[in-house]
Amino acid sequence: AQSVTQLGSHVSVSEGALVLLRCNYSSSVPPYLFWYVQYPNQGLQLLLKYTTGATLVKGINGFEAEFKKSETSFHLTKPSAHMSDAAEYFCAVSEGAGTALIFGKGTTLSVSS
Amino acid sequence: GAVVSQHPSWVICKSGTSVKIECRSLDFQATTMFWYRQFPKQSLMLMATSNEGSKATYEQGVEKDKFLINHASLTLSTLTVTSAHPEDSSFYICSATRNKETQYFGPGTRLLVL
Repeated sequence: AQSVTQLGSHVSVSEGALVLLRCNYSSSVPPYLFWYVQYPNQGLQLLLKYTTGATLVKGINGFEAEFKKSETSFHLTKPSAHMSDAAEYFCAVSEGAGTALIFGKGTTLSVSS
Repeated sequence: GAVVSQHPSWVICKSGTSVKIECRSLDFQATTMFWYRQFPKQSLMLMATSNEGSKATYEQGVEKDKFLINHASLTLSTLTVTSAHPEDSSFYICSATRNKETQYFGPGTRLLVL
């Protein structure tokens, strides 16, 4: 069985500060890992994904994440937060491309000026 | 990129009525579609997996007779909430994938049962 744990249901940063959203996973098979962003009353937008290969994955809007197998982690980072980054972020895991996703509980990112 | 639409985007209905939600892949043929449910301030929970031309596979705890899923074509899946009750009020999101590639999410349908 697979599971995802997102540490910190709410993260607050100042504009221009580093963003770090934590995600740990559990999987009995090599995982596919994803980060999605959700704005209020909207669907999900894929930020980035890891399948195989390079463990540092770059996504849209300046976000990146690093797959660390030894730590079973897939933390999301952005060097400099922008007001428009304020949203709900979900980490997810699956057993393969196109299979059902198991989501973490989400982290709300707030950005203050 | 691939586009998935949902209709309606929001719906209000009376308790006891049935509501149909459509999920369409607009520019690709979706071999598999997934239905998720999201309660306020919570994560998405998988309800069922739907493969074109076959019966949906429901997750444990999801009533298949209450949440009817039909995937009659490669571009359309429907979720019907039968005899809806206030506790069925939620945000329903579908996703679609083609040939086990990336999953694309629809914008969601907000259901409010009075």
